[in-house]
Amino acid sequence: DGGITQSPKYLFRKEGQNVTLSCEQNLNHDAMYWYRQDPGQGLRLIYYSQIVNDFQKGDIAEGYSVSREKKESFPLTVTSAQKNPTAFYLCASSLRGGPLHFGNGTRLTVT
Amino acid sequence: DAKTTQPPSMDCAEGRAANLPCNHSTISGNEYVYWYRQIHSQGPQYIIHGLKNNETNEMASLIITEDRKSSTLILPHATLRDTAVYYCIVRASYNQGGKLIFGQGTELSVKP
Repeated sequence: DGGITQSPKYLFRKEGQNVTLSCEQNLNHDAMYWYRQDPGQGLRLIYYSQIVNDFQKGDIAEGYSVSREKKESFPLTVTSAQKNPTAFYLCASSLRGGPLHFGNGTRLTVT
Repeated sequence: DAKTTQPPSMDCAEGRAANLPCNHSTISGNEYVYWYRQIHSQGPQYIIHGLKNNETNEMASLIITEDRKSSTLILPHATLRDTAVYYCIVRASYNQGGKLIFGQGTELSVKP
């Protein structure tokens, strides 16, 4: 079945460590997105990419980095510079101008 | 990007229609209205979207006012599984990134 896979579902890290969240899609979508969600809050856009080897900052990009070397993959690295990294991270993809399809998220806890 | 305003919460009786309102008074002519819902600890699920005409699919109906400043999502026969947070979003044109900007949403509780 086509879809978006985020792994792992739960991730625990020590403060000061970088961590990379995986996002893979087999929907042949051009655009991919990373959002962050904090408890009781809506989604906030971190980064997005409309095409391979290109990406743009969203509203809260500080402390995060991404790469888009393949159409199917859009990994997100949460660096030690991110002051409040504990959150629920959601990846999405879409066809050009089409609705976003979301993965089921990765819950990151940094202690 | 146009902003949206939704009530923070609503209740609906099981089997009745759920009507979720959304205001988007600053929407521009080429912006679509999208609706998503999110069940706790899952990724948002796409429901429906429209530009200016009313739309219907197997999940819901979308009614957009003639001036496009507001819309209503209708779940015709709400079930307990429709309990979720519903987000109304106005989408920027694709040339600007096509990104979705999520507000706080409406928490819909469907009660037996």
